[in-house]
Amino acid sequence: GESVGLHLPTLSVQEGDNSIINCAYSNSASDYFIWYKQESGKGPQFIIDIRSNMDKRQGQRVTVLLNKTVKHLSLQIAATQPGDSAVYFCAENTQGGSEKLVFGKGTKLTVNP
Amino acid sequence: KAGVTQTPRYLIKTRGQQVTLSCSPISGHRSVSWYQQTPGQGLQFLFEYFSETQRNKGNFPGRFSGRQFSNSRSEMNVSTLELGDSALYLCASSYIQGNEQFFGPGTRLTVL
Repeated sequence: GESVGLHLPTLSVQEGDNSIINCAYSNSASDYFIWYKQESGKGPQFIIDIRSNMDKRQGQRVTVLLNKTVKHLSLQIAATQPGDSAVYFCAENTQGGSEKLVFGKGTKLTVNP
Repeated sequence: KAGVTQTPRYLIKTRGQQVTLSCSPISGHRSVSWYQQTPGQGLQFLFEYFSETQRNKGNFPGRFSGRQFSNSRSEMNVSTLELGDSALYLCASSYIQGNEQFFGPGTRLTVL
């Protein structure tokens, strides 16, 4: 079935390092992409989004890069902190006029002090 | 501004029963979507409502249904529960179509 894939299921980094979480998407017609963070026992928390007419967007300590040529999305977290430990999901909107999001399987980020 | 709220937070049911879950979107948000999250299948889209109308539906059996009220609050119902329906059910709301969706904490449903 349709899916957005993740390259790595787990990622372990040292506090203060930069983290990069990757995602491959399958639908070249997707025009909207979102990264979510999910902590244990909580719902997904919006981090940052990007539309297909952009290739880079920056937030506070986070940057999302979109490469439409190879259908690749990445999330960069600068100066990773223990509070960043969570599962990160990429999601794509594949149907214009709909809110339907297709989620990847997620990458579990562990930040070691 | 209060976030998306879902009730109840936890629910235990037995096979064959039915269940109704409730979602209150962020004030002013008119679009509500529902997702099922399981360890095996991840996050899967159930359905989407806007102005009391279902706009899209995922690949789930007819036992899964939903509705939206005039105040944008939404409910989803699962009839004839099966063990495989055990999951975290998440509701998300957005202000207008194509904008970021904000998720609630979810309802953890356990079917015994």
